[in-house]
Amino acid sequence: DTGVSQNPRHKITKRGQNVTFRCDPISEHNRLYWYRQTLGQGPEFLTYFQNEAQLEKSRLLSDRFSAERPKGSFSTLEIQRTEQGDSAMYLCASSLEGGRYEQYFGPGTRLTVT
Amino acid sequence: LAKTTQPISMDSYEGQEVNITCSHNNIATNDYITWYQQFPSQGPRFIIQGYKTKVTNEVASLFIPADRKSSTLSLPRVSLSDTAVYYCLVVGTGGFKTIFGAGTRLFVKA
Repeated sequence: DTGVSQNPRHKITKRGQNVTFRCDPISEHNRLYWYRQTLGQGPEFLTYFQNEAQLEKSRLLSDRFSAERPKGSFSTLEIQRTEQGDSAMYLCASSLEGGRYEQYFGPGTRLTVT
Repeated sequence: LAKTTQPISMDSYEGQEVNITCSHNNIATNDYITWYQQFPSQGPRFIIQGYKTKVTNEVASLFIPADRKSSTLSLPRVSLSDTAVYYCLVVGTGGFKTIFGAGTRLFVKA
């Protein structure tokens, strides 16, 4: 297994457009997380899946954001009607079940909204 | 979730030992202390995790006093490639909502 992968690595979009990011976790990991990170800040938790169930969503995740993890494998994060404030690095991580288990992060998708 | 406080930045020279201290006064009984490292344009990478006393791996050591209200990450003989941001987190055993602070920016000079 080569680790967590994310696509695309970079995305430039115009304000008001919709964008979708994909995350492929490590295959045996049943937990998957999405984070957002802006320059100079640590990653901010957005949402988390255990298998296909989305169990927690941050208040940061407005109605324009939606995440899915069909069949408990890969996950997608969609942002509708993008705003300039959505410009950030979007990170995905996966782990085994249980808070003690380390999270393995992907390289991230850098979104720029113009 | 216990909040963590750590220095914003630190400077060091190659070959020195670096100690980064994190305070977590509200840590709960079942919480673990975890440290991640992040290089620019990459996702964070797990370094070490501990519950109490001392934990050592091939990369670092983690010292946790008996009251567990603080912890110290120790990096032996740092090199230029250790320049990164280091995050201290407190995570519950069932935890999923991982809270990263701003981290400590370590800059290693030649």
